[in-house]
Amino acid sequence: EVQVVESGGGLVQPGGSLRLSCAASGFTFSSYWMHWVRQAPGKGLVWVSRIDSDGSSASYADSVKGRFTISRDNAKNTLYLQMNSLRGEDTAVYYCARVMGQGSGWYFPIDYWGQGTLVTVSS
Amino acid sequence: DIQMTQSPSSLSASVGDRVTITCRASQGISNFLAWFQQKPGKAPTFLIYAASSLQSGVPSKFSGSGSGTDFTLTISSLQPEDFAIYYCQQYYSYPLTFGGGTKVEIK
Repeated sequence: EVQVVESGGGLVQPGGSLRLSCAASGFTFSSYWMHWVRQAPGKGLVWVSRIDSDGSSASYADSVKGRFTISRDNAKNTLYLQMNSLRGEDTAVYYCARVMGQGSGWYFPIDYWGQGTLVTVSS
Repeated sequence: DIQMTQSPSSLSASVGDRVTITCRASQGISNFLAWFQQKPGKAPTFLIYAASSLQSGVPSKFSGSGSGTDFTLTISSLQPEDFAIYYCQQYYSYPLTFGGGTKVEIK
């Protein structure tokens, strides 16, 4: 069974840092592109970042570019999101999500989502 | 960025009703469109990809159509478990973008 489980969320002060992790199981993690998507309380879904299967290429939403870094450790089947210079508007549930289909993730949708981890940025 | 506009933003319907949700892209996205369902406090679940292909295990009461800029999600006979928020999402280009969601409520 495909599973992705996020962790690392919590309360952080504005300007602070946090690293989210996403542990994957039930599939060959190293063969799939992965995404982070967030959802502010009571709001819709917003794409944050993606990384290709070997970690050599990544993309970011403009709102997080230069502050967030996506990475992965295929030996540990784990995806990460390093979040620096956090702002109040970064408060959200952060979802780890897998791209459908192995290999290139171009033109493939997200198929599996984790349960999410809540990040609250507040003083 | 490609803007995705869903309509309506909410609707009230009865069990057994046929429901249609519309999603419009600000530019052509071919058929690179997915639909997700989200229930309160839960992660989204994957329903449809390539505009009209049903994900494995998703009931056939869900169907999708469209290409280019205009897309629809139809639920043929609404059941209690279908009351949720539905999102469309384009995966034609980055940044990936979602529609604002359509909340389907019980009448």
